[in-house]
Amino acid sequence: EVQLVESGGGLVQPGGSLRLSCAASGFSFSSSWMHWVRQAPGKGLEWVANIKPDGSEKNYVESVKGRFTISRDNARNSLYLQLNSLTAEDAAVYFCARDLGYCIGGICSSVFDYWGQGTLVTVSS
Amino acid sequence: IQMTQSPSSLSASVGDRVSITCRASQGVGNDLGWYQQRPGKAPKLLIYAISRLQSGVPSRFRGSGSGTDFTLTINNLQPEDVATYYCLQDYYYPLTFGGGTNVEIK
Repeated sequence: EVQLVESGGGLVQPGGSLRLSCAASGFSFSSSWMHWVRQAPGKGLEWVANIKPDGSEKNYVESVKGRFTISRDNARNSLYLQLNSLTAEDAAVYFCARDLGYCIGGICSSVFDYWGQGTLVTVSS
Repeated sequence: IQMTQSPSSLSASVGDRVSITCRASQGVGNDLGWYQQRPGKAPKLLIYAISRLQSGVPSRFRGSGSGTDFTLTINNLQPEDVATYYCLQDYYYPLTFGGGTNVEIK
């Protein structure tokens, strides 16, 4: 059974840092693109970042570039998101999600077939 | 890429057919998916590549469209379909979701 379990959320002051983790099990983690998606309280979904299976390619939404870093440890089946210079606009539930790996003719789509339950990040003084 | 969903909310009766549309500001090829988020839960994949039904999803969910205009249709609406539905384009970075459509039962 595929499982994704996020942790590391909490209350942090503006300008502070936090490291989120996502523990994966039940599938070949080292073969899967992985994503972070967030949802501010009462708002819609926002894709944050993704990372290639070997970690060699990372992509970010513009609003977090230079502040957030996605990484992974395939030996530990774990995905991470380092959040720095946090602002109130970063307060959200952060979900990790597995990519289905749907490819046609060598072109692959980003399809989130499994999601964790989310971890809440609160930014407040 | 901006993804504009409509309506933002709808109310329908059990057994009804409902449609949610998603319009992209540019063509997104086949890279359009739909997700369901029940209250207090993580999103769930329903449809990917415009019309491919994810394993285990009831066949009353149907995706269609092309280019910039896409539709999620729910046939025979059921009480468990109460949720917010989001489209997602993954043709361009950054990946972008629509604003969501809240579906309620009358």
